[in-house]
Amino acid sequence: GENVEQHPSTLSVQEGDSAVIKCTYSDSASNYFPWYKQELGKRPQLIIDIRSNVGEKKDQRIAVTLNKTAKHFSLHITETQPEDSAVYFCAASISASKIIFGSGTRLSIRP
Amino acid sequence: KAGVTQTPRYLIKTRGQQVTLSCSPISGHRSVSWYQQTPGQGLQFLFEYFSETQRNKGNFPGRFSGRQFSNSRSEMNVSTLELGDSALYLCASSRGSNTEAFFGQGTRLTVV
Repeated sequence: GENVEQHPSTLSVQEGDSAVIKCTYSDSASNYFPWYKQELGKRPQLIIDIRSNVGEKKDQRIAVTLNKTAKHFSLHITETQPEDSAVYFCAASISASKIIFGSGTRLSIRP
Repeated sequence: KAGVTQTPRYLIKTRGQQVTLSCSPISGHRSVSWYQQTPGQGLQFLFEYFSETQRNKGNFPGRFSGRQFSNSRSEMNVSTLELGDSALYLCASSRGSNTEAFFGQGTRLTVV
């Protein structure tokens, strides 16, 4: 079936440390993997995305890796800051018109 | 340019009633997707419309329906409301397949 699993559900890291969130997907035809950040009371916003023809993508402190064979993809945030505190969602396109989201990771940055 | 606009922002309805939510996408975006967000279930895909056609549908009962107009604005309707339908309903618009989806602020529906 169509499923995106996300771990962990909550994550607390010391400011300045790195945070890693992992996702797995079930549909081998998935070819687009966006990550969204949702701050409290706000709408989800895209922070980075990766397509299946790329294994890694980086944007400043944020990087995403994709392993198509294992159907795994991960979000890495380095040098975490207080404003990184939010809920992060991974997602995978099941088809051109359907994107399935993971259950979310609540990231807290400890001062 | 204006973002995705959802109306109304808040709604309180009684069990058994029906409700219609509206979503105006970013100008030029032809794809509109709808999601239900609850604390325990995350973001659940409801359906996606492109050029007035429903291209895909999630695993929700037939009480949930939608449509899209020629100007790409979309509505979703929930009939015979149940307490469990209480949630934040988000729509997202994009230019097309596998492109960034921009979310609206959502409509918070409370069923009492």
